Formats: sequence, C-alpha cells, structure tokens
Amino acid sequence: DSGVTQTPKHLITATGQRVTLRCSPRSGDLSVYWYQQSLDQGLQFLIQYYNGEERAKGNILERFSAQQFPDLHSELNLSSLELGDSALYFCASSTRTGRDTGELFFGEGSRLTVL
Amino acid sequence: GQSLEQPSEVTAVEGAIVQINCTYQTSGFYGLSWYQQHDGGAPTFLSYNALDGLEETGRFSSFLSRSDSYGYLLLQELQMKDSASYFCAVRGVDSNYQLIWGAGTKLIIKP
Repeated sequence: DSGVTQTPKHLITATGQRVTLRCSPRSGDLSVYWYQQSLDQGLQFLIQYYNGEERAKGNILERFSAQQFPDLHSELNLSSLELGDSALYFCASSTRTGRDTGELFFGEGSRLTVL
Repeated sequence: GQSLEQPSEVTAVEGAIVQINCTYQTSGFYGLSWYQQHDGGAPTFLSYNALDGLEETGRFSSFLSRSDSYGYLLLQELQMKDSASYFCAVRGVDSNYQLIWGAGTKLIIKP
C-alpha cells in the first residue's frame, strides 16, 4: 500500500460525458502528479500540483483539467470524453526529495472505459 | 526532444540473472529511475541513478553511464514474482524536470 488513494477504481461511461477522478496523496506529501497509461504503453505525464498550485503541465488535453484543494487532495476532470480517452489514470505523490530523485508513490489507478 | 528505448520483452529462467537495458536522449539530464509494474497494478519505484556507476538494492541493481546515455536494471536470482513490466524514466530540462517514461519491458520468467 503506497498510501495514495484513488477513486473510483473503475468507471464506465459514454462518449461525450464528463467524469471526475479523485486522489488523496500520502500524508505529508505536497506534490501530486497525474498520469495516463493506455494499454501496454508507458506513462504519459499530464499535470503536477504542488501545495495547491499548478507546477508543471505535460500533454494534457484542453478537455481535461485538474486542481489541488487546500487539504491537498486532487481531482482530474475529463470532459467531452472520446473512445481514445479509455485508459488507466494514475495519481502519484512525492516528497520534495522524491521529486528530485524521481521517486513517486502511485495510487492503484482509475480505469476509465469510454463506450 | 526526449526519448527512451528499452526492449519490449525479455524472457528468463527462474533463478537466473537478467539485464534490462535503457537508452535515452534528453537535454539537461537529471537522473534515471526504474519502476516495476505488475499487470493491473501501480508502478512501484525501484531505483534511481544520478551519477555514473552501479547502485545495488538487494537482488536488484541499476547502472548508469551518462556519457553513453545508457543504463540498465539487473535482476538476480529471479523469482516468479519478478514477472512484471519494468520501466525506465528520465528527468531532464526538456520535460520541465518531469519524468519521461519508456514504453516498458515485459519480463517473462519461466520455471
């Protein structure tokens, strides 16, 4: 158990819909990262937050948005969903040192299926 | 731009030693990380190399040569539970210091 909690674990929805994925980082970790993993692929970095502020942006689509709340939990919003958005979405958190050493702690992921 | 290359699949026998290679291209290199991911599971951090040389953690070791833009993960005394995908990831200036991930190497272990 990494200490990072993600909900929901599974989500099935239709094209055009909107979903929200939730993440609670490890206690004490200020950084939260969102990644997308398509079938048999590596992880694509979407966005990072640090203590409530956006720190870095990756290949995140304009249809996607995220935020980190004062209690440090984070939400990833995916809208106007397309079939190609079906993937595993991982949240990860890190300490300040972990950010520098590439040591991230991942949640179990949210598997999104768009039909 | 940045890129990483690692073999898509490696097969080994239980009890043997296997090496998974990773070559990378990036500007302003900050370090090479390795992660393990079992099917349907979350990636788990294994090791990090910022300087040239070998880092050992139990049965797993990781090596880096910055001049060759090359690293490898060495797994010894293979166990069936080591069957998983292994990802290398680099952090560099090009990626705004975020991890850029390889496509992963699926390690198949035979009894």
